[in-house]
Amino acid sequence: AQSVTQPDIHITVSEGASLELRCNYSYGATPYLFWYVQSPGQGLQLLLKYFSGDTLVQGIKGFEAEFKRSQSSFNLRKPSVHWSDAAEYFCAVGLYGGYNKLIFGAGTRLAVHP
Amino acid sequence: DAGVIQSPRHEVTEMGQEVTLRCKPISGHDYLFWYRQTMMRGLELLIYFNNNVPIDDSGMPEDRFSAKMPNASFSTLKIQPSEPRDSAVYFCASSPGGTGSGAQYFGPGTRLLVL
Repeated sequence: AQSVTQPDIHITVSEGASLELRCNYSYGATPYLFWYVQSPGQGLQLLLKYFSGDTLVQGIKGFEAEFKRSQSSFNLRKPSVHWSDAAEYFCAVGLYGGYNKLIFGAGTRLAVHP
Repeated sequence: DAGVIQSPRHEVTEMGQEVTLRCKPISGHDYLFWYRQTMMRGLELLIYFNNNVPIDDSGMPEDRFSAKMPNASFSTLKIQPSEPRDSAVYFCASSPGGTGSGAQYFGPGTRLLVL
């Protein structure tokens, strides 16, 4: 069955430090992969997506993610975290292209220390 | 574009009452999704529509839940009768059809509290 695993429930980093959020997926076909961010009391905002091509994907707010098929991973990175990045981050895999079903991970809550 | 619009943003009701949540998708999007988010279960897909037709409602918890999409710019999710365990944040999302797109765009959510 299709699934998405985000191993880290909570991560705390200092402002200015680098960040990597992990995501592993299980899906038999070529995955469509997404990262979303949810600020408190808000809806989910799309950060970036991967469909095909270059395995390093650039997104909004300075985020990037790298697709590694051999590891079934799609980790999210940012070289220097800002206090405003504190939020919950969700990785998702899209079935049949993503516009009909997304399977979400449980999320990783990011705290940023000044 | 105004994005996905949901109303109300907050709803407090008593057990047994009918609750209706509303959603206006992004204009031109062919797909509409209803999700529920709770601490215990995370994000769950309840139902989705394609061109106003329900495609998959396997996530709808039980017969108390129903969803409609009478036209391309409006959808409702109804709970009748409501129960305390229905308390959650309900999100609507829409997505353009076609190949290569696939990203879903979420509304701000309706926070429902059933007392």
